[in-house]
Amino acid sequence: EAGVAQSPRYKIIEKRQSVAFWCNPISGHATLYWYQQILGQGPKLLIQFQNNGVVDDSQLPKDRFSAERLKGVDSTLKIQPAKLEDSAVYLCASSLGRAGQDTQYFGPGTRLTVL
Amino acid sequence: AQSVTQPDIHITVSEGASLELRCNYSYGATPYLFWYVQSPGQGLQLLLKYFSGDTLVQGIKGFEAEFKRSQSSFNLRKPSVHWSDAAEYFCAVGDNNAGNMLTFGGGTRLMVKP
Repeated sequence: EAGVAQSPRYKIIEKRQSVAFWCNPISGHATLYWYQQILGQGPKLLIQFQNNGVVDDSQLPKDRFSAERLKGVDSTLKIQPAKLEDSAVYLCASSLGRAGQDTQYFGPGTRLTVL
Repeated sequence: AQSVTQPDIHITVSEGASLELRCNYSYGATPYLFWYVQSPGQGLQLLLKYFSGDTLVQGIKGFEAEFKRSQSSFNLRKPSVHWSDAAEYFCAVGDNNAGNMLTFGGGTRLMVKP
């Protein structure tokens, strides 16, 4: 079974530029998550989708971050404009559903450096 | 709000020695608890999880964890560490009432001496 795919793996941009990350979840997984992992910290949930609808985006900085999952499969996360403090690894995860027993499977992440 | 504390930021053990990584959580009801491992440049891999039942949970790669409600702890153990276990370990608590949202601890980086 193929895992969660993410691209690009690395991205370096200057502040105030925009950037987009792509995620393809495990086939059949209805729930998709984006996490931000700042160096030396644990992952923090940014947004959760169920199919193509947003379930929770309470920790997403909506003035600069946006995410979509238009067809209920793959997803993109965008930052516009980027700030220095956005430097982090952005992890995508997916699960069958939203029950607590549904294991979240993580992709390899995209490491973003904002200069 | 739920939270997870991993008191040890770094731990170094000798290969073949036993290992215990500490995790304390704060959650109002019966928690769903997880341990994930992250190797450099890799995503997080699930080691084991606890939902209910037997408080001693067996996972992959020879790891186990014990849920102790009275201590609000879910410590990870391994009887004999291998050099390949060097990685960062994250404890997480899940909120089943909030749609499978995970809150992670800050992580413990494990180094293994030959």
